[in-house]
Amino acid sequence: QKEVEQNSGPLSVPEGAIASLNCTYSDRGSQSFFWYRQYSGKSPELIMSIYSNGDKEDGRFTAQLNKASQYVSLLIRDSQPSDSATYLCAVIPPMDSSYKLIFGSGTRLLVRP
Amino acid sequence: GAVVSQHPSRVICKSGTSVKIECRSLDFQATTMFWYRQFPKKSLMLMATSNEGSKATYEQGVEKDKFLINHASLTLSTLTVTSAHPEDSSFYICSAGTREYEQYFGPGTRLTVT
Repeated sequence: QKEVEQNSGPLSVPEGAIASLNCTYSDRGSQSFFWYRQYSGKSPELIMSIYSNGDKEDGRFTAQLNKASQYVSLLIRDSQPSDSATYLCAVIPPMDSSYKLIFGSGTRLLVRP
Repeated sequence: GAVVSQHPSRVICKSGTSVKIECRSLDFQATTMFWYRQFPKKSLMLMATSNEGSKATYEQGVEKDKFLINHASLTLSTLTVTSAHPEDSSFYICSAGTREYEQYFGPGTRLTVT
C-alpha cells in the first residue's frame, strides 16, 4: 500500500467553481501535512501546512485534516485558470527524525475558462 | 514564505565532466536540506538529506560517490554530479527545512549531459 495516495486526475472544474483535492495516508501517527502546487517544468511551491484536525484557511485555499480517517484535503474556492497545475500532498511520517516528506503522486487540476 | 535559491538554473555539460549545483536559503537558517531529482512527468524522487556539518544520508539506490553533497553552513548546500553521463540528465531540485518542518523548494536546475 502506498504511503500517500492521491487521485492522479485530471480534475477538471469550470472557472469560479470550488476545486476539491483529496489525499489519504497510511501512517496513523503522522503529524505534519502539506500541500504543494507544481506548475509544469517548475519546482513545487508550498501552499498550506496543517498539523491539527479541522480546517485551516488561507485566502482562497482551505486545508482540511481528519486524522481519524487519515484524510487530508485541499479546497480551492473561486478557481482560476492560473490554478491549473499539479497539486502534491506530502506527509512527514511518525518517528522520522530527518523530517523528510513522503509525497503523493499528485493530482492534476485543470480550470476551464 | 521562505526563499531558497539555486544556481545554476540550467547547465549543459559534456559526458565525463562534473557539475556543481548550489542551494541557498536566503532568509532563514536551514539545519536540514534535501536534494531531489525529477524526470519529465514523473514524481519527485528524494536523493539525499543533508544536515549542516555532517555527512548526507542517501536514499536507497542513490550512489553517494556519484552525487556528492556538502552542507557547509546553515544556508548553503551543494550537490556535485561527478563524471556525469547522459542518463544523469534530469531536473535537480533542492529544498530547505524550517523549524516548523516546512520544506521550501529552490527553483531547480535542469541538467543536460551531452
